[in-house]
Amino acid sequence: DIQMTQSPSTLSASVGDRVIITCRASQSISSWLAWYQQKPGKAPKILIYKASSLESGVPSRFSGSGSGTEFTLTISSLQPDDFATYYCQQYSSYWTFGQGTKVEIK
Amino acid sequence: EVQLLESGGGLVQPGGSLRLSCAASGFTFSTYAMSWVRQAPGKGLEWVSGISDSGGNRDHADSVKGRFTISRDNSKNTLYLQMHSLRAEDTAVYWCTKGTTAYYSYYMDVWGKGTTVTVSS
Repeated sequence: DIQMTQSPSTLSASVGDRVIITCRASQSISSWLAWYQQKPGKAPKILIYKASSLESGVPSRFSGSGSGTEFTLTISSLQPDDFATYYCQQYSSYWTFGQGTKVEIK
Repeated sequence: EVQLLESGGGLVQPGGSLRLSCAASGFTFSTYAMSWVRQAPGKGLEWVSGISDSGGNRDHADSVKGRFTISRDNSKNTLYLQMHSLRAEDTAVYWCTKGTTAYYSYYMDVWGKGTTVTVSS
């Protein structure tokens, strides 16, 4: 089974900050990686797929990069609506999520 | 508008059974893989089960293998999850999700609102 490890688990940031979340796969998954945003009591929402492709309708301040085993999600300028929990997910071999990164207000 | 609407959640005793349903609309249901994803209270996301567009291929997470069965009725645009031998650790919100391909190598681009399953005596 492929394990996904995110860091950090919690991130404190201010509006306007550049935020970077890292996701590491236990084996190569090529670019079969997605990023989701989840707010309390809501379903996750897709942000990025195939490691770096922005889902339609998602603000351009979100970007993804990486391939193989190392990936990052970057929010270029954090907005009030971005305080949420973010999950990476591999879909190379079945589906596995990272443990999540909570972005909270500093 | 693409929509997924889950139903069938509720309170069930340990060892009991429950069937979740997901009514899909706004897209050609029979051409996409579908999955169930769950989240236990205060925990992260866990993929539970997936099924190909035709229903001919099904996969289940090890944690539910032998107890849960995913199925679909393309004539009714409906996805199901039959759950048996339920355990306390199955307590979670269960989401119906749409895949982006017919099978494998897909991410979940549409999620329902979720249905809550509580396993407790």
